[in-house]
Amino acid sequence: DAGVIQSPRHEVTEMGQEVTLRCKPISGHNSLFWYRQTMMRGLELLIYFNNNVPIDDSGMPEDRFSAKMPNASFSTLKIQPSEPRDSAVYFCASSSGWGSEAFFGQGTRLTVV
Amino acid sequence: GEDVEQSLFLSVREGDSSVINCTYTDSSSTYLYWYKQEPGAGLQLLTYIFSNMDMKQDQRLTVLLNKKDKHLSLRIADTQTGDSAIYFCAESMRFSGTYKYIFGTGTRLKVLA
Repeated sequence: DAGVIQSPRHEVTEMGQEVTLRCKPISGHNSLFWYRQTMMRGLELLIYFNNNVPIDDSGMPEDRFSAKMPNASFSTLKIQPSEPRDSAVYFCASSSGWGSEAFFGQGTRLTVV
Repeated sequence: GEDVEQSLFLSVREGDSSVINCTYTDSSSTYLYWYKQEPGAGLQLLTYIFSNMDMKQDQRLTVLLNKKDKHLSLRIADTQTGDSAIYFCAESMRFSGTYKYIFGTGTRLKVLA
């Protein structure tokens, strides 16, 4: 398996624009997690899915953020409208069950100017 | 709360031992993890420990767990320049019949030659 695949790797956008980040989890994994990494706050859990169903979105900072998982092999994280304070590295991770490790993608570095 | 706390920075000389500390919040966490993040990359699992263990050794890595104080540490023996990275502590927490991973802020280890 190629691992967790995220796209794009880098995204530069202007304030107010819509941004969509994409993730393909490892085949067979039933849980998918979206994290945001910043220097000050470390790795924050934004939302996670189990069997394509959103379980906990309490980490989503504002209504400008939304996430979907239409099927077991694809998820998106959307920011609309984007703001400069959204600039961070966004990671997607997947895992196969309780007690297993979380496998991370390479991340998307988002810069909002 | 769900905070996992770590110090932000650690600097050691090559050949010395490094000790990275972490405190977690959920006393029922069964699995605790250490991840390593190299520049520009995602997180990779280094090691993990079950909560019924006090210590786990894996080559140069030693993990110590104090459940009473909810304290986890990672010791790297004979630290090398290639060990320079960010190290994350994480706990696997039960939630709504599923589970999620809560990560700390990460400790940036710098190894001086």
